[in-house]
Formats: sequence, C-alpha cells, structure tokens
Amino acid sequence: QSVLTQPPSVSGAPGQRVTISCTGSSSNLGAGYDVHWYQQLPGKVPTLLIDSNNGRPSGVPDRFSGSKSGTSASLAITGLQAEDEADYYCQSYDTTVRASFVVFGGGTKLTVL
Amino acid sequence: VQLVQSGAEVKMPGDSLKISCQGSGYTFNNFWIGWVRQMPGKGLEWMGILHPGDSDTRYSPSFQGQVTISADKSINTAYMYLSSLKASDTAMYFCVRQGWPWGPVDYWGQGSLVTVS
Repeated sequence: QSVLTQPPSVSGAPGQRVTISCTGSSSNLGAGYDVHWYQQLPGKVPTLLIDSNNGRPSGVPDRFSGSKSGTSASLAITGLQAEDEADYYCQSYDTTVRASFVVFGGGTKLTVL
Repeated sequence: VQLVQSGAEVKMPGDSLKISCQGSGYTFNNFWIGWVRQMPGKGLEWMGILHPGDSDTRYSPSFQGQVTISADKSINTAYMYLSSLKASDTAMYFCVRQGWPWGPVDYWGQGSLVTVS
C-alpha cells in the first residue's frame, strides 16, 4: 500500500483531457511538501514531467500541468495523444517521528483509446 | 550529467548484492544520490538516499535493515548494498540524483536488472 494513492488506471480518447489524482496525508502533501510527477514510457526509464507541484521542466509540452491543494495533487493532460500512453507516478516526501523519506504513488496507467 | 550503473546480476536466495552508480558531468558531492526499486510490472519504490558530501543517509522504513547505501567520493561513485536476497528482490534498481531529499529526481541511471533465482 503506497503512502500516496493514485488510481490504477485512467483512459481517454485522442484530443480529450484526463486527470490523475494523487492523494496523501498530513505527513506529506498536507505538511507542505511539494509533489513531483514522472512519466514512464513502456520499457523506458522514468522522466520528470512536473516539478514542485506545477513546474514544467524544459522540453515538457504545456499540455501537461500540475496542481496541489492540501493533501491532494493532480496531473492534467489536455489534447491527449497516442504517445502519452504511459505510466505516471507522483512523488513527495513524508516525515514521521521516526523517519523522513521519499514516497511515490502506486502509479497510474494511462491508456489512449 | 550521467549516472552509469553496474550491469545485470543473477543471484541466489540468501546472497548479497552490491550495485554501483558513477556520476559524471556535475559536482558529485553537491547532490543527493537515491535508489529506487521497480519490480517486474510494478511501480516505483524509493529505498534510500545519501548525500556524498557529508554522508547524511536516510532509508525508507520498508527497506531499513536490508539496504545500505554508501559512496566513494574519490571516484564519484555511490553503492547500494542489499543483503539476504529473496526471489521477491528480483527487480530493476535505479540510482537517481536529487538536489535535496524532498526535491524532484532530475536524473536517472539506466537501471541494473537483478534476478534472484
């Protein structure tokens, strides 16, 4: 069970808009830690898609956007394209009394219909 | 910037494993190096992170006690040591670079495939 909860799968037709949620708690997203998003194409190494809640690294199309509010975050993809079919992961940081550590969501498989 | 990992390994249950990750193209001591596991067909699991400059190390509770992360600053190389291997440790292991522990991963190694059988 991941500390950050994502839907296992989402789907959409080309040109549509889809969103992927990432739900945390008061010890991670709710504590003010940023969320980052990664795209992992089939058989490839993950790449950074959204940095610090809503930043887009150089080269990432503006069809991808991120937001965060309280203990939740979202990744939105507009103008869906076949090449967007991939696994998407959110990442943040968690602090407990005993330890501080990086956490990933369980991942969401995006299918372009 | 490059992170180059050691090659694929085949191990037996109960064995230990050491994977290396050599950084180049940046000041090795100034960035955190982390390790991420991905089991076949599964998601990303963060294992631990180390700052080569001061050896500050943090582990995921899920891997505490089984994994040890270290670095040799003289050769810009980080290591991940995994003990008492089980079949369920079969996975791809990635080293990653982060500017700070709660920051994004900006670079990934190519991955080291480990098979325990």
